[in-house]
Amino acid sequence: EPEVTQTPSHQVTQMGQEVILRCVPISNHLYFYWYRQILGQKVEFLVSFYNNEISEKSEIFDDQFSVERPDGSNFTLKIRSTKLEDSAMYFCASRRGGGFYNEQFFGPGTRLTVL
Amino acid sequence: KNQVEQSPQSLIILEGKNCTLQCNYTVSPFSNLRWYKQDTGRGPVSLTIMTFSENTKSNGRYTATLDADTKQSSLHITASQLSDSASYICVVSDSRAAGNKLTFGGGTRVLVKP
Repeated sequence: EPEVTQTPSHQVTQMGQEVILRCVPISNHLYFYWYRQILGQKVEFLVSFYNNEISEKSEIFDDQFSVERPDGSNFTLKIRSTKLEDSAMYFCASRRGGGFYNEQFFGPGTRLTVL
Repeated sequence: KNQVEQSPQSLIILEGKNCTLQCNYTVSPFSNLRWYKQDTGRGPVSLTIMTFSENTKSNGRYTATLDADTKQSSLHITASQLSDSASYICVVSDSRAAGNKLTFGGGTRVLVKP
């Protein structure tokens, strides 16, 4: 069964460094998302991406964040200058179409630790 | 502000027993409500999805109900198994987002003991 994959599973970085989190969505999906979950807190929406552009973003997704689909398979989240509070689990999700019943399938997540 | 609140925060049940989890939401305009299961350190996995016109939906031993008037939903787990130990998250989508942006509840952590 096709699934969303994410790499790395765990990323440790120093404050101020740039990180790129990578996702490979399910191959025939058209909508892509990033979420984060700070330890012990709710999952929070960051950004949605469709047709090679951002379709919606939350207030969390400031200028330090960017997303890209550099080729036909990868979907990346870049954090330009990491802060301690960026430490969280980051989930990528993808969805085949725009209908209400089209599910978002989540990847296993990347745990980001900022020291 | 759209919000989703869940109760209880956690519960412990014995294997084979039933349990019911609650969800209240203030998302408006409402599009659909989903229940996800999240194992520790893993991404959420969808259990059910319901629109405002649906009152109940089942997926094996999981049955979700929705009352769009009172903005409440419940997830009932029947004959629990050890593998049901996980967090169960209520997620609501507003119709402006057409299923795009999801508002997550804090989850109910379920522990099934033998």
